[in-house]
Amino acid sequence: EAQVTQNPRYLITVTGKKLTVTCSQNMNHEYMSWYRQDPGLGLRQIYYSMNVEVTDKGDVPEGYKVSRKEKRNFPLILESPSPNQTSLYFCASSPSPIEEQYFGPGTRLTVT
Amino acid sequence: GENVEQHPSTLSVQEGDSAVIKCTYSDSASNYFPWYKQELGKRPQLIIDIRSNVGEKKDQRIAVTLNKTAKHFSLHITETQPEDSAVYFCAASGAGNDMRFGAGTRLTVKP
Repeated sequence: EAQVTQNPRYLITVTGKKLTVTCSQNMNHEYMSWYRQDPGLGLRQIYYSMNVEVTDKGDVPEGYKVSRKEKRNFPLILESPSPNQTSLYFCASSPSPIEEQYFGPGTRLTVT
Repeated sequence: GENVEQHPSTLSVQEGDSAVIKCTYSDSASNYFPWYKQELGKRPQLIIDIRSNVGEKKDQRIAVTLNKTAKHFSLHITETQPEDSAVYFCAASGAGNDMRFGAGTRLTVKP
C-alpha cells in the first residue's frame, strides 16, 4: 500500500530534550516536506527536500533541522525543543513540487 | 517569498447551496495551485488542483478558477452535502519550489 508514515504519532517532552520525528514514504517520491499546523495559521512549511542530500528552508525553519540521506526517509530533528514548538506536524511527499502531496497521519507534539 | 491569503475563515451554507472560497497569492511566478480538504482529526487530502496555463478546471461538483492577472484563484462547490463539511486549504507553489498554504476555511453544511 502506497503511504507516508510518521513516528511517533504522539509525543510529550520537556524543554531542551532533543527529539526526532521520523517520516518514510514508499512511493519513490523525489519531493518531501515537513509542515506544522496551528489553529488559525493553516499549514506552514518548515523544510522541504527536492532529492537526496538537497534540502531547503520553508517558511518557518527556525529551531528545526532535517536530513535526506535516503530517498524514502526525511526525519525532522528538534535539537532543543521549546514550548512554542508545540504543534501538529505533518510530513508529505510528492513526485515533484507541482504535483499532489501525500500527507502522513500527523505527529502531535507537546513541549512542556 | 510567496504569501497566500484565504477568505472567508468560516463559511456556513444550507445543504444544496453553493460554497465559494477565495485565495490570493503574491508571487507572479507561482504555477501550481492545489486545494486540500481536511476532515476533523484526519490528514489533508487533495481534492483538485490547477496549473497556471489553465483558467478553470472542474471535477463533478468541484471547480477551481484561476485569474493570473489578478493573482487569485477560487474553489467552487455546488450542491453541497453534509459530508462536504471540513476545513479547506488553498496553496501555491512558488518559483523556489516551496509550498505556501492559506490559513484555511472551515465549511459547515447544514442539513
